[in-house]
Amino acid sequence: DQQVKQNSPSLSVQEGRISILNCDYTNSMFDYFLWYKKYPAEGPTFLISISSIKDKNEDGRFTVFLNKSAKHLSLHIVPSQPGDSAVYFCAASANSGYALNFGKGTSLLVTP
Amino acid sequence: DGGITQSPKYLFRKEGQNVTLSCEQNLNHDAMYWYRQDPGQGLRLIYYSQIVNDFQKGDIAEGYSVSREKKESFPLTVTSAQKNPTAFYLCASSEQRAQVRALHFGNGTRLTVT
Repeated sequence: DQQVKQNSPSLSVQEGRISILNCDYTNSMFDYFLWYKKYPAEGPTFLISISSIKDKNEDGRFTVFLNKSAKHLSLHIVPSQPGDSAVYFCAASANSGYALNFGKGTSLLVTP
Repeated sequence: DGGITQSPKYLFRKEGQNVTLSCEQNLNHDAMYWYRQDPGQGLRLIYYSQIVNDFQKGDIAEGYSVSREKKESFPLTVTSAQKNPTAFYLCASSEQRAQVRALHFGNGTRLTVT
């Protein structure tokens, strides 16, 4: 059963605008969340993370928001750039967890 | 440069043959993992190892085997029992064994079985 869900398989955004990628989770034991970016034929690379004690974490153009009551997090990219075009995976871990649980990914296309 | 090396990048095999995918890391990480990526399926955990000479099944271990004889190496064997072996395989490592905070990934091996 998928514990981390990314319900939008794809998203298209114009360059310069904001990209918002969403992620929902079902396991209330998750207390650490991450976003990974993946280009075709490459391994995912870590982008940004957030602990459950926070509701926002910002790193340059990337901001992750966490809403624990809704079991929802989102990644905002502003302004979006063509180089941001990739698949973005949401992942979560629990205190007793041995690995990361990944969502199915959202393919972001940023058009010039 | 520290990192994870997976080889080869592309691998082709005939049905019924076992094949071993290589994964080496020089990050001095204790924990290592194998994930599989299929279109529309995200990353699914096959096996993980938190320490040398120990490994555990992940969510989709059937048809796979691993070994962890050295800290740096975690090879994955795709056996003929794996019903759908064609996929993109990703190896990863982590500093921590418990409460994984981040995974470092290799660049993957695309296996095609015909």
